Amino acid sequence: NAGVTQTPKFQVLKTGQSMTLQCAQDMNHEYMSWYRQDPGMGLRLIHYSVGAGITDQGEVPNGYNVSRSTTEDFPLRLLSAAPSQTSVYFCASSYWTGHSGELFFGEGSRLTVL
Amino acid sequence: AQTVTQSQPEMSVQEAETVTLSCTYDTSESDYYLFWYKQPPSRQMILVIRQEAYKQQNATENRFSVNFQKAAKSFSLKISDSQLGDAAMYFCAYRRNGNQFYFGTGTSLTVIP
Repeated sequence: NAGVTQTPKFQVLKTGQSMTLQCAQDMNHEYMSWYRQDPGMGLRLIHYSVGAGITDQGEVPNGYNVSRSTTEDFPLRLLSAAPSQTSVYFCASSYWTGHSGELFFGEGSRLTVL
Repeated sequence: AQTVTQSQPEMSVQEAETVTLSCTYDTSESDYYLFWYKQPPSRQMILVIRQEAYKQQNATENRFSVNFQKAAKSFSLKISDSQLGDAAMYFCAYRRNGNQFYFGTGTSLTVIP
């Protein structure tokens, strides 16, 4: 069982560079999401999707872009990296309704922007 | 938006003792889920325990149990017989079906040998 697979695990960028964090899940979950984790601030929702072709903004969407072309994949794009985007990023998925309601997480990606 | 509050940024416990982590939440709904997640230094998010709001019985998973007070909107986590491997950040989370997850800011638990 792969669960939620997130890559890369570590990345260093220079200010202004762009990159994509990849996320894939094999549980047929409708809901996929991206969070960032910063010290003392818990997990903050960046973007989410409730199905292929449907995305929406979370609490901190600025500077990030997402798309959901398939049920399995939900990449997160940093358009022009800034030092404020230095963080740990988590992709997570779940069923949207019914079932246990549990959120399944990837292993996280530590991003440093210099 | 829903809010989840963890008022204890840091807690410590002696090995083999019991510790309780606090969580309160704000909602006007009657049917929802509550969760406790553990994040060890490996940073992997691990589900510890889950409570369905319509169930009056408190959830239990081995040494982990919750005290769910629906009217008070309180959902505390009790860890019994604490072990060194319990040292981690613990996050409380709230969710309704068809809606977002809301997380608290976390409690860092230290286990003292």
